[in-house]
Amino acid sequence: AQSVTQPDIHITVSEGASLELRCNYSYGATPYLFWYVQSPGQGLQLLLKYFSGDTLVQGIKGFEAEFKRSQSSFNLRKPSVHWSDAAEYFCAVGARNTGNQFYFGTGTSLTVIP
Amino acid sequence: NAGVTQTPKFRILKIGQSMTLQCTQDMNHNYMYWYRQDPGMGLKLIYYSVGAGITDKGEVPNGYNVSRSTTEDFPLRLELAAPSQTSVYFCASTAGWVDEKLFFGSGTQLSVL
Repeated sequence: AQSVTQPDIHITVSEGASLELRCNYSYGATPYLFWYVQSPGQGLQLLLKYFSGDTLVQGIKGFEAEFKRSQSSFNLRKPSVHWSDAAEYFCAVGARNTGNQFYFGTGTSLTVIP
Repeated sequence: NAGVTQTPKFRILKIGQSMTLQCTQDMNHNYMYWYRQDPGMGLKLIYYSVGAGITDKGEVPNGYNVSRSTTEDFPLRLELAAPSQTSVYFCASTAGWVDEKLFFGSGTQLSVL
């Protein structure tokens, strides 16, 4: 069965520090992987996606993610965090073999300390 | 473009009442989804549709119904509201298959008391 695990419920970083949010997936075929960000009271916005090609993908707002098939991971990174990055981050996998469904992780809440 | 529009933004229901959450998109997307978001649980898929006239159950469909009579509209119906349905509901759509991003509405916060 398809599933997405985000091991970190909450992360706190200082402004200017680097960030890595972890995501592991379980999927039997080639995964379509996404990172979304949710600001308070808002819907989700796509940060980046991967489905083929270069395993290091660049997204909006300076984020990047690396797909590692051997580790079933798709971790999100940012070299220098800004206070405006404080939000909830969701990893998701798109599953073709279940009728075009998307499965989301439980999310990681990011707090940025000035 | 307005994108994905959900109404209402907030609603309080009494146990046993019914209501419909409205969702409309103006991007001519074939694929539409309803998710519920509970604290610490992420987003769970309730129902989805791959085109007008076609709907299917997701992970947590019990207590809900949907219809898709047009490409634009995908309403979610709660027939007999229960406290377990207290949640934030998001409608989303996408143009293509699972390699395309989802466009989300701003959500409906529902409380059942």
